[in-house]
Amino acid sequence: GAGVSQSPRYKVAKRGQDVALRCDPISGHVSLFWYQQALGQGPEFLTYFQNEAQLDKSGLPSDRFFAERPEGSVSTLKIQRTQQEDSAVYLCASSLAGPENTIYFGEGSWLTVV
Amino acid sequence: QKEVEQDPGPLSVPEGAIVSLNCTYSNSAFQYFMWYRQYSRKGPELLMYTYSSGNKEDGRFTAQVDKSSKYISLFIRDSQPSDSATYLCAMSAGSGNQFYFGTGTSLTVIP
Repeated sequence: GAGVSQSPRYKVAKRGQDVALRCDPISGHVSLFWYQQALGQGPEFLTYFQNEAQLDKSGLPSDRFFAERPEGSVSTLKIQRTQQEDSAVYLCASSLAGPENTIYFGEGSWLTVV
Repeated sequence: QKEVEQDPGPLSVPEGAIVSLNCTYSNSAFQYFMWYRQYSRKGPELLMYTYSSGNKEDGRFTAQVDKSSKYISLFIRDSQPSDSATYLCAMSAGSGNQFYFGTGTSLTVIP
């Protein structure tokens, strides 16, 4: 596709429910990033993939957060047993290769936990 | 202390004004500097990308990087109401995999 595509755009989850957020990066982009953006804040790094390898997951806030990219293209961010503090926008970004290149964001998945 | 500091504003200017947006940072390893524009309920959109120190101009936008002061700026000339958005600075060392973002500055250009 022309840009980074994320789904769902909006998700309301009950506390304790599991959610899965999908990211389809720009075609040919090797690197894929997940960021979390709270209201009024800048994006905070969650995790990074190069192809199918998850090279950095240091930003994942707890073991309830899990990300995968099994075939090196589409990625899924899964949040288990959601809590209210998980409410945020989850942004996916992709780039051609490595952090030397700029990253391009999707529109985000807006998660509200009630 | 956060890696990147950015005044959240809000900043309100009349149409046609010159806008100056700034970020400071603490990590001297940062070499790649970016500015993103984010409209409400949208993802960040890349505006400017600069490597190392110096200036870069693109239309009404000029990005400046002063690595000695650990200070970057974005100037918007002849500001338009359509420039009303949140502006995020971002930077990376290049060797790691993280891009570090400021909190964003909210800008309103009044017609």
